[in-house]
Amino acid sequence: QVQLQESGPGLVKPSETLSLTCTVSGGSFGNYYWTWIRQPPGKGLEWLGSLYFSGSTQYNPSLKSRATISVDTAKNQLSLNLRSLTAADTAVYYCARGKYQVLAYFQLWGQGTLVTVSS
Amino acid sequence: DIQMTQSPSTLSASVGDRVTITCRASQRINDLLAWYQQRPGKAPMLLIYEASTLESGVPSRFSGSGSGTEFTLTISSLQPDDFATYYCQQYNSFSPSTFGQGTKVEIK
Repeated sequence: QVQLQESGPGLVKPSETLSLTCTVSGGSFGNYYWTWIRQPPGKGLEWLGSLYFSGSTQYNPSLKSRATISVDTAKNQLSLNLRSLTAADTAVYYCARGKYQVLAYFQLWGQGTLVTVSS
Repeated sequence: DIQMTQSPSTLSASVGDRVTITCRASQRINDLLAWYQQRPGKAPMLLIYEASTLESGVPSRFSGSGSGTEFTLTISSLQPDDFATYYCQQYNSFSPSTFGQGTKVEIK
């Protein structure tokens, strides 16, 4: 079955750029929306943005254009770049797959990767 | 943004209890509401979508109801695996899509 696995640096410095990867195994990107969601320690969930397999994207306005989501279909990888990091970006970052062809709820999640922003 | 408010924030219950969690939206969301369960250290898991449709593989003791701006998640008979945090999510608007703050179900 389809599985998602996030990977990333773990620790990044303030003002730097975070680059995360989500590797999709057991399936392809076709006809789904792919999403990044984060969860600060002890807090709730925040939708960051979504990408359709064709390349179109939507982002949470709260990120103030700091985020870029992209896909490398040859590698079966979804990526998130988040610029100008602050301590408020410390969180577990999840990738998720939504409903077939519709941007809606999230049926399949990766295990998440913790990112700490600290000097 | 559409604000999602869950109540209560924490709920203490015993195995076998009937449990109800409420989620209120700041505006009508056309029943485009999902519920997730998150166990400690784990990713959320989809339970219900379109306010009342049970995701495949989810036990039938979970049910969702409501319309307009008020929605509920009910667990008919709480089981040990159900002690977790529950979140609602509105997907009527992705400008942005928003989650409730969560309801933690604790052992009484």
